[in-house]
Amino acid sequence: SQQGEEDPQALSIQEGENATMNCSYKTSINNLQWYRQNSGRGLVHLILIRSNEREKHSGRLRVTLDTSKKSSSLLITASRAADTASYFCATGDSSYKLIFGSGTRLLVRP
Amino acid sequence: GAGVSQSPSNKVTEKGKDVELRCDPISGHTALYWYRQSLGQGLEFLIYFQGNSAPDKSGLPSDRFSAERTGGSVSTLTIQRTQQEDSAVYLCASSLDGGSDTQYFGPGTRLTVL
Repeated sequence: SQQGEEDPQALSIQEGENATMNCSYKTSINNLQWYRQNSGRGLVHLILIRSNEREKHSGRLRVTLDTSKKSSSLLITASRAADTASYFCATGDSSYKLIFGSGTRLLVRP
Repeated sequence: GAGVSQSPSNKVTEKGKDVELRCDPISGHTALYWYRQSLGQGLEFLIYFQGNSAPDKSGLPSDRFSAERTGGSVSTLTIQRTQQEDSAVYLCASSLDGGSDTQYFGPGTRLTVL
């Protein structure tokens, strides 16, 4: 079964609005990562947050991690049409595997 | 520098045929991963190579699937006697030294089995 589950499965917003996606997981992790995928092809790494961190920023991205609730959120501020993509969370443990969730499909309407 | 490359970008084959998918990782990356992504789904781990260690093949769905990595660089994923349920995008990723660190993905190969 998948480790990470994203919520919502799909999100449609107007350009300029903020988009928030959530990820829940089941077991202990070393880190949690967010990836972006355009048009069902290669994934692009966005941000990595380690288990001892609570919040991280990168440009218009803000990621939070709550290990007590086993959940993370990705906030994209001031969204643009170019942000339209699928977003995946992936959890890393002490091994080499990343376990990916099923993704959130974000549509930003111009 | 060059990223991860995969070939072919698209492959259409008939049921029962064998296919080979190729991945060129980022130079110097010791870890290489193969994933499968069915339409609208997340990524399914297939196999992991790290340096000269024995690969982790635990994600391969059947014995029709095999992979090798020659010289610690290029990898080939082979699917024998393809079935329609093998249709998916096959993604390759590499990372500097394995662990659960950042992975860099190729553009994928879209396989369609008719």
